[in-house]
Amino acid sequence: GDSVTQMEGPVTLSEEAFLTINCTYTATGYPSLFWYVQYPGEGLQLLLKATKADDKGSNKGFEATYRKETTSFHLEKGSVQVSDSAVYFCALWRGSTLGRLYFGRGTQLTVWP
Amino acid sequence: NAGVTQTPKFQVLKTGQSMTLQCAQDMNHEYMSWYRQDPGMGLRLIHYSVGAGITDQGEVPNGYNVSRSTTEDFPLRLLSAAPSQTSVYFCASSSAGTSNEQYFGPGTRLTVT
Repeated sequence: GDSVTQMEGPVTLSEEAFLTINCTYTATGYPSLFWYVQYPGEGLQLLLKATKADDKGSNKGFEATYRKETTSFHLEKGSVQVSDSAVYFCALWRGSTLGRLYFGRGTQLTVWP
Repeated sequence: NAGVTQTPKFQVLKTGQSMTLQCAQDMNHEYMSWYRQDPGMGLRLIHYSVGAGITDQGEVPNGYNVSRSTTEDFPLRLLSAAPSQTSVYFCASSSAGTSNEQYFGPGTRLTVT
């Protein structure tokens, strides 16, 4: 069945460090892939998405490229800020599953000044 | 647009009590879903709906009921609360035409004693 695996946290970085959070998926066909972010005490917000192979999603300095050959969608940011501290979720959707998203377990990121 | 709203924000129940978590969206989205979030487990799908009058079970449906009588509302009912249902509950909605980009409510934190 469909599933998403993302790196275990927590991840702790200093401000301006480079960030990578790994995400791999299992799904048939060509799913759409997403990164969601959850700030403390809030619901999830869409951070970026990619709907086909080799697409790059980007937003707020974050990027992720849809790699069909490695079934991956790793999240990267060149220089993190304290305000990026949050929980990040990788997710996938296949059109045949209609309203269902499949989420990874989430990665807690803490950025220290 | 209010987006996705959830009430209440916090709730404490005793074992065996029943209650309804409310969810409403004003974006005319076809798809609506309920998730629960537990530490280390990510988000798990409870029930979802692809339109008014149509609902289906997700990964963890036991102990929960849903109905979808209108496009806007998707209440989640706990018939007889158990301590294992202590969690944070999120409602989400999405449009059929947007690759399932889901919009989340702010969540309901439920404690069952």
